[in-house]
Amino acid sequence: DGGITQSPKYLFRKEGQNVTLSCEQNLNHDAMYWYRQDPGQGLRLIYYSQIVNDFQKGDIAEGYSVSREKKESFPLTVTSAQKNPTAFYLCASSPKLATHAGELFFGEGSRLTVL
Amino acid sequence: GDSVTQMEGPVTLSEEAFLTINCTYTATGYPSLFWYVQYPGEGLQLLLKATKADDKGSNKGFEATYRKETTSFHLEKGSVQVSDSAVYFCALIPNNAGNMLTFGGGTRLMVKP
Repeated sequence: DGGITQSPKYLFRKEGQNVTLSCEQNLNHDAMYWYRQDPGQGLRLIYYSQIVNDFQKGDIAEGYSVSREKKESFPLTVTSAQKNPTAFYLCASSPKLATHAGELFFGEGSRLTVL
Repeated sequence: GDSVTQMEGPVTLSEEAFLTINCTYTATGYPSLFWYVQYPGEGLQLLLKATKADDKGSNKGFEATYRKETTSFHLEKGSVQVSDSAVYFCALIPNNAGNMLTFGGGTRLMVKP
């Protein structure tokens, strides 16, 4: 079945460690996104990529990094510079067609807890 | 800047009750408006959308009408079920902004049997 796969579903990290969250899609979508979800704050955009080998910062990119070496994959690294990394992270993708603007397909999320 | 404001939850209803979740927005021009739903432990799914004033989006018994005069996009359902328990997010994209969604804070709905 086509979709977006995020892994791991749960991750625990000690302070000072970098962690990488995986996001893979087989929908043949050009654009991919990473959002952070905190209780009562909705979703905030961390990074997005509209094409392979190119990505842009979103509203809260500090302390995060990404790569887009393949169309299917958009991993997110949470670095030790991120001051408050405990959160639920959501990856999404979307087709390029203007008629489907705003129609994002989301993965099931990864919950990161810093101990 | 653009923003979306939703009513704070949780909203608790009995099965078969009428649902309204309020959403208002601030944006220049004519944004497109969306409702997304997040079931427990899952990612978000698009529920419905409207792209111009007076459009009504509908899906799975839910509906919302794009009201330019009141800058609102309230979500309604005539008879909720326990399976509708979820968090609902209102969102917008401004004119010509591709897929850069601005989300509201989300409203949790709890439906009791």
